[in-house]
Amino acid sequence: NAGVTQTPKFQVLKTGQSMTLQCAQDMNHEYMSWYRQDPGMGLRLIHYSVGAGITDQGEVPNGYNVSRSTTEDFPLRLLSAAPSQTSVYFCASSGLGRYNEQFFGPGTRLTVL
Amino acid sequence: KNEVEQSPQNLTAQEGEFITINCSYSVGISALHWLQQHPGGGIVSLFMLSSGKKKHGRLIATINIQEKHSSLHITASHPRDSAVYICAVRKNTGNQFYFGTGTSLTVIP
Repeated sequence: NAGVTQTPKFQVLKTGQSMTLQCAQDMNHEYMSWYRQDPGMGLRLIHYSVGAGITDQGEVPNGYNVSRSTTEDFPLRLLSAAPSQTSVYFCASSGLGRYNEQFFGPGTRLTVL
Repeated sequence: KNEVEQSPQNLTAQEGEFITINCSYSVGISALHWLQQHPGGGIVSLFMLSSGKKKHGRLIATINIQEKHSSLHITASHPRDSAVYICAVRKNTGNQFYFGTGTSLTVIP
């Protein structure tokens, strides 16, 4: 099993550009989520999904869109990048049961100039 | 106020020392996770706890549900233990996880 994979690992964007961060998991997990990690702050939830066709907003959703057309894939779209979106982004997945642990992707380091 | 608080924020120890990292939370939870993140690295799950105590090698995690508190202990610390340790809780309502800001541990040879 590959677990949770993310692409790209690094990305530099100019303000106003759009892009999609890819996330895939091969563990048949229902729950998938996107977090951003900034210095001095805990991981903050951007968007999450509890199954194909179902998505919801987390703590910091503005400027990001998600979709979940399959169980495996959960892409994160930046619509018009801003310097405030410079961060490290992590995708994670878990089963829906209360005692299921989360598995994280390797992260994407995004810089917006 | 963050729902998950960790202490200390930073910790430096000599190799071989016993280390304790604390996590307090203010919400009802179904489970608590301890995660490890090496510099520039990914995030790895160490433990998932809903009660009592778990041990894996030199790592021990405990949780007191009544006091809403968990501790992560490292015995005989080693420089390779240097990392950020993150506490996360899964609320007993919904599926989301909530994270502490992490404890940065440096173990000096």
